[in-house]
Amino acid sequence: VQLVESGGDLVQPGGSLRLSCAASGFTFSSFALHWFRQPPGKGLEWVGNINQDGSGKNYVDSVEGRFTISRDNAKNSLFLQMNSLRAEDTAVYYCVRSPQCSGGSCAPWGQGTLVTVSS
Amino acid sequence: EIMMTQSPGTLSVSPGERATLSCRASQSISTNLAWYHQKPGQPPRLILSAASTRAPGVPVRFSGSGSGTEFTLTISSLQSEDFAVYYCQQYQNYPRTLGQGTKVEIK
Repeated sequence: VQLVESGGDLVQPGGSLRLSCAASGFTFSSFALHWFRQPPGKGLEWVGNINQDGSGKNYVDSVEGRFTISRDNAKNSLFLQMNSLRAEDTAVYYCVRSPQCSGGSCAPWGQGTLVTVSS
Repeated sequence: EIMMTQSPGTLSVSPGERATLSCRASQSISTNLAWYHQKPGQPPRLILSAASTRAPGVPVRFSGSGSGTEFTLTISSLQSEDFAVYYCQQYQNYPRTLGQGTKVEIK
């Protein structure tokens, strides 16, 4: 069971970035998925989530209207489209399965992908 | 939005001693609470869900209690690998919210 995030980069304020999360080892379409983030040296923040078929999404207020979560169940992939990026979006972004543990096994958090918003 | 408050901010404990961490929710979350720990340079790891259910592979020295607004994580006998930052997270409502973390350091 594995989740691997990618797509992080250095981007200028106001720019866009698309993060990906590749899943393996479990039935991807059976689980909701979340994005969390962690600014350097700071605590964790929940960003948003998407349900199993992509029809339901929730976001933290600070990213509502700027970030969009989507998924491709055929490719076992989760995405985070980030627009109008701000300095305060600088963080390591993690994708997380929900529930994290099911049937006696867990999907550990990946190593995350670093997004840096700076000019 | 449900606010999660952890205390203390830092806990200094000697190896082998007991550690007690607290988490308070600004409104009732039943037992919809998870605990994570995170070591420097590593991603968080789930240790408890539903306030008191250990994740598979988590040692029995970790235990959780509480419901409603007051929760406790207890580590009965601290091992070297337990020195880390611990976060609580509610999943009663959206947005999901986390506490600011408790750092457990070696005394």
